[in-house]
This record gives sequence, structure tokens and C-alpha cells, in this order.
Amino acid sequence: EVQLVESGGGLVQPGGSLRLSCAASGFTFSSYEMNWVRQAPGKGLEWVSYISSSGSTIYYADSVKGRFTISRDNAKNSLYLQMNSLRAEDTAVYYCARDSGDGYNYPDYWGQGTLVTVSS
Amino acid sequence: QLVLTQSPSASASLGASVKLTCTLSSGHSSYAIAWHQQQPEKGPRYLMKLNSDGSHSKGDGIPDRFSGSSSGAERYLTISSLQSEDEADYYCQTWGTGPHWVFGGGTKLTVL
Repeated sequence: EVQLVESGGGLVQPGGSLRLSCAASGFTFSSYEMNWVRQAPGKGLEWVSYISSSGSTIYYADSVKGRFTISRDNAKNSLYLQMNSLRAEDTAVYYCARDSGDGYNYPDYWGQGTLVTVSS
Repeated sequence: QLVLTQSPSASASLGASVKLTCTLSSGHSSYAIAWHQQQPEKGPRYLMKLNSDGSHSKGDGIPDRFSGSSSGAERYLTISSLQSEDEADYYCQTWGTGPHWVFGGGTKLTVL
């Protein structure tokens, strides 16, 4: 059974940093592209960042470019999101999601999310 | 610019059917999309990938009550024999050359 479990969320002050983790199991993690998606309170889904299976290709949404860094450790079956210079508008539930791997780009499995609150 | 448009809300009675719509922006009518369900206080769940010709492939364990169809720039999700657990937000999603994934604004489905 495919499982994605996020952790690392919490309350942080504006300008602060936080590192999210996503533990993957039930599939060959190193073969799949991965993403982070966020959802602000009461709002819709917003794609945040993508990383290829090897980690060699990375994309970011304009809203987080230069502040967030996505990475992965295939030996540990883990995905990460380092978030720096956090702003109030970064407050959201952050989900990790697996790219389908069938040649099309859509999430076929999602985690349950971890809440990040940026507030003083 | 690649945009997906969804009605903010929909409602239907228990046991009935409902058809949700996702509209692709001009120039993108050939794009495939995916539908995702988000029940209250839960993470999203992948339902199906839907091609422009209406063919679709569903995720693991998705009931036959969920089906997809297409017409021009519109992509549909039909849920038949509505159950209380179908009350959720439904998001369409596609992929482009700008943002890796583009999401519609979501439709909140109420089961009466």
C-alpha cells in the first residue's frame, strides 16, 4: 500500500524557517517524481514544487522561488521542503504528492498533510 | 494562460446523480485532466485521469459510481447513486509548461 506521511509543520514567526519531511513507503520511491502542494485555510490547492526521481530537475512556483528548496533522499525514501523567509501567506497545509509516472503529470497519491502557520 | 474553471458549489440528493464540470481555457481544449476528491479534514484523493476523447483511468479502489466524460474544452465528473461520503470538494487538475500542476478552484458538493 502506497503511503506518504508528512511531518515537520508547526508555528513559526514571519521570516523564520521550517523543514518539512515526507516519508514514503509501499512503492519504489527512487523511481517516482515527487511534488509539494499546499492549501491555505479555506482555499484551493496550489502546486509548490517538483523534483525528478533522481533530484536533477527541480521546479518551483513563482510564489516560493528563492525561498523554498525541495530535495530528496532516495536511500531514506524521503522528500523534503526547506522553507526560509516565511511569510504569513505561506500559512497552509502542505501535502506531498507522487507524480503518476505513466508519462502524464498528475498526482496519483497524496499524503494527509502537515500544517504550517506563520504568525507572530 | 492555462486556467481551469469550476463552479464553486453543487448539490444533489442522496441516491441521485450529479455531473461536475471543469472548463479548460481557450487554446487548451485538447488537454487531459485529473479529478481529485477532498473529503472534509482529509488530504486529497486521486479519482481519475480523463482524456479529451472521454477515455479515463481510475485510481485504486475508486467505485464504478464515479465516471468521466469530455466535450470540447469541458471535462466532466459524474457521480451516480450519491452517498453521504461523496460530500466533498472536487478539484480538476492539469499540467502545463509554466506551473508544473494547475488546479481548478474546486467544487464543493453537498449531498442533500
